[in-house]
Parts: sequence; structure tokens; C-alpha cells
Amino acid sequence: NAGVTQTPKFQVLKTGQSMTLQCAQDMNHNSMYWYRQDPGMGLRLIYYSASEGTTDKGEVPNGYNVSRLNKREFSLRLESAAPSQTSVYFCASSNRASRAGANVLTFGAGSRLTVL
Amino acid sequence: DAKTTQPNSMESNEEEPVHLPCNHSTISGTDYIHWYRQLPSQGPEYVIHGLTSNVNNRMASLAIAEDRKSSTLILHRATLRDAAVYYCILYGSGNTGKLIFGQGTTLQVKP
Repeated sequence: NAGVTQTPKFQVLKTGQSMTLQCAQDMNHNSMYWYRQDPGMGLRLIYYSASEGTTDKGEVPNGYNVSRLNKREFSLRLESAAPSQTSVYFCASSNRASRAGANVLTFGAGSRLTVL
Repeated sequence: DAKTTQPNSMESNEEEPVHLPCNHSTISGTDYIHWYRQLPSQGPEYVIHGLTSNVNNRMASLAIAEDRKSSTLILHRATLRDAAVYYCILYGSGNTGKLIFGQGTTLQVKP
């Protein structure tokens, strides 16, 4: 199984350009997440989708939009990229455990984005 | 959200046990204690989680204090491949699906 697949792996944008990061999982998971990781920092949650058809803001949602296209796919869009959005972006997915808090996340390999 | 406190860095020798501590004095009764690790240039990887009792799996053991205000991740025999950033995270019903990462502990393993 591929697990969580992110595309593209690398991208360079100019300030003001737009782009979409794609994420797909093949584990039939209900929940999906987008995180960003700046150099030397821990991960910060941008948006998450607890189930198909729902999305919610995380810690740092400004400047981003998301779409839960179907159960498998969760995309992250930058409408007008800024240098402050230079980061590594990670997508993750998890199944819904019987008890809240027992969910285990599976992460993708990351997408490295540079905004000039 | 309840917070965790971990040392910034630790060192270990190869093939020796490693004990990675985590303090979480404000943990609530429904919070699970999760550990993830991140190898260089990779996404985070699940290691182990527990609620009250100690837990073992093929990767590690998790020892949880009786009052649940602290926990320890135990790698029984460190290898060079275990060099990574280890994150201790509290995750419960109050998080509404949000897994909040802190700074983690950077583990160096010396040959």
C-alpha cells in the first residue's frame, strides 16, 4: 500500500502565484490533515477534515483553503503565495478510533514549497 | 490544550537503552499520551500511545506515571536509525481531532 501520497514533492513559486498541494490516502481513513513545518520547528496544523464533507481550521489557517474532494483526497490551496508560506507541508490521515484520542495518524513524505 | 515539556536534546550510545521523558502536569482524564518521531527529511512516524497502563510494541515501550503527569518513552536498544526528533503529544476528546506538536526531543545516537 502507498499510504499517504503527496504531490508535488518540491515547488518554487513567485510571490502572488497560486498553487494546490494534492494529498491522497489509500487506507480508507475518515480524517485527513494538513500541517506545515518551518525550519527547526515542530509541526503546526493548518486545516483538518474529520470526515468527508467537513473541514475545520487548525492553528494557522490564514492564507490557505482546503477541499475534501472525496474520502481519499484532501487538497490545500494557496491563493496568493507569500514568502512567509515557505515551508514543508505534510498531509496525514487517520481512522476514527472507538475512543477519541486513540486515533493514530499516518503522514506523507512532505512537499517542500519555496516562495520567492 | 494541555501542554507537554520535553528536553530539547539527548544523546545515547548505540545498543544501549534510551529513556525519553515527557512532563504533562495538566493532562486531563481523557487525554491519551502519543509519541511520534521524525527522521531527518521525512514525515512524522507513529511510535506508541497509551492512556493509563504501560504499553509495549515492536518499536518501543511507554511507561506512564501513576498520576499520569509524566511518561517515558523507552527504546530498548538504540540503533543509528533511531536518531530522530521525538514528539510527546497529548490527544483527547477536547482536541476535536487536532494533534498539536511541540518542539520535541532531538535524539543523537553515537556508534
